[in-house]
Amino acid sequence: RKEVEQDPGPFNVPEGATVAFNCTYSNSASQSFFWYRQDCRKEPKLLMSVYSSGNEDGRFTAQLNRASQYISLLIRDSKLSDSATYLCVVSLTGGFKTIFGAGTRLFVKA
Amino acid sequence: GAGVSQSPSNKVTEKGKDVELRCDPISGHTALYWYRQSLGQGLEFLIYFQGNSAPDKSGLPSDRFSAERTGGSVSTLTIQRTQQEDSAVYLCASSLGYVGPNTEAFFGQGTRLTVV
Repeated sequence: RKEVEQDPGPFNVPEGATVAFNCTYSNSASQSFFWYRQDCRKEPKLLMSVYSSGNEDGRFTAQLNRASQYISLLIRDSKLSDSATYLCVVSLTGGFKTIFGAGTRLFVKA
Repeated sequence: GAGVSQSPSNKVTEKGKDVELRCDPISGHTALYWYRQSLGQGLEFLIYFQGNSAPDKSGLPSDRFSAERTGGSVSTLTIQRTQQEDSAVYLCASSLGYVGPNTEAFFGQGTRLTVV
């Protein structure tokens, strides 16, 4: 079993739609959680950290469920520019091993 | 430099040859990561360094792959006797140390390796 698992998608949604991605992790020693975004043929870049209490950044909301060991990302009012691959990222206790999920591909269409 | 620098950006090599990929992390970043991304696939963890030591080498696909880091800075990923399945983009990332809520991993633009 992979340490971080995501639905690869692709998710095809119309502009304005709300879309949610889930990610599960297997190591209970996981301590820090993030969502990264990767545009086609570009390097991944941090989208947002995920805090235990949940956090929001504009149209993006991230949630963490430690008991069930999953993380979610909700995108409201999707824009064409949201089309990308979204990577779930988990950092283990001690902070030095960071594992990236394989990513979920999102296509937002006009 | 301002960001993570990888070289070469592109490398075409013949099957069976050895290749070296280089990563210059952001100055002061103690943690360094190597990932591989095959065409249309997700990131595959290879190895990470804390300083010059590599606590976890479990992601290296075979004994043809090795990596080192010297002076807590530059890292080299070496692939011996390359095979066609080694063709991928090799991404390097660095972080200040503990990757926590306020410390992100920054990626280089990758080395695209093609084995022919």
